Amino acid sequence: QVQLKETGPDLVQLTQTLSITCTVSGFSLTTYNVHWVRQPPGKGLEWMGAMWNGGGTDYNSAFKSRLSISRDTSKSQVFLKMNSLQTDDTAKYFCARRGYGSSWYFDFWGPGTMVTVSS
Amino acid sequence: EIVLTQSPTTMAASPGEKVTLTCRASSSVSYMHWYQQKSGASPKLWIYDTSNRASGVPNCFSGSGSGTSYSLTISSMETEDAATYYCQQWSSNPPTFGAGTKLELK
Repeated sequence: QVQLKETGPDLVQLTQTLSITCTVSGFSLTTYNVHWVRQPPGKGLEWMGAMWNGGGTDYNSAFKSRLSISRDTSKSQVFLKMNSLQTDDTAKYFCARRGYGSSWYFDFWGPGTMVTVSS
Repeated sequence: EIVLTQSPTTMAASPGEKVTLTCRASSSVSYMHWYQQKSGASPKLWIYDTSNRASGVPNCFSGSGSGTSYSLTISSMETEDAATYYCQQWSSNPPTFGAGTKLELK
């Protein structure tokens, strides 16, 4: 079955770099796109960026200068790296698969990983 | 970017009550999607392409709308429907989500 799972640090120091891995199973990264979405505590969802099945990437301009997404198809992993972390980057980070329909939506999500940025 | 405004922000419904959640877009969108999220869990796709129920979603849920106004309706509230519901569009980049409607059981 389709599964996604995020692994990353619980705590990151202010101004440091966040690295999270999304490991997927049940589908191929060369067929489906994987996206990153985050959710600050008690708040809504924010799309961060995407790894397209063809290997390209797309980023929310709100993060463009400090966000990088890459992948290793042999390991079925997608990577998020974001630098210059601030306290308002404290959030739960999710990876999600884009589903195929008339429009684009996220049909499967990982459980998320909670990251706290500490000063 | 397209801003999605959900209303109400919070509401409570009694078992058996009909519930309608609304999502308004700042510009016209072609489709709307809805997610259900319970506390501590990841969002689950609930309604896609405006009116299609995702796998396993009870048929008491329905979605409708067009242009800038969309809604999700529960024909008869049940205990397990208490959750936060988010709308999402991807008619234009970046994809955006509404701030959510928290639905509680009365």
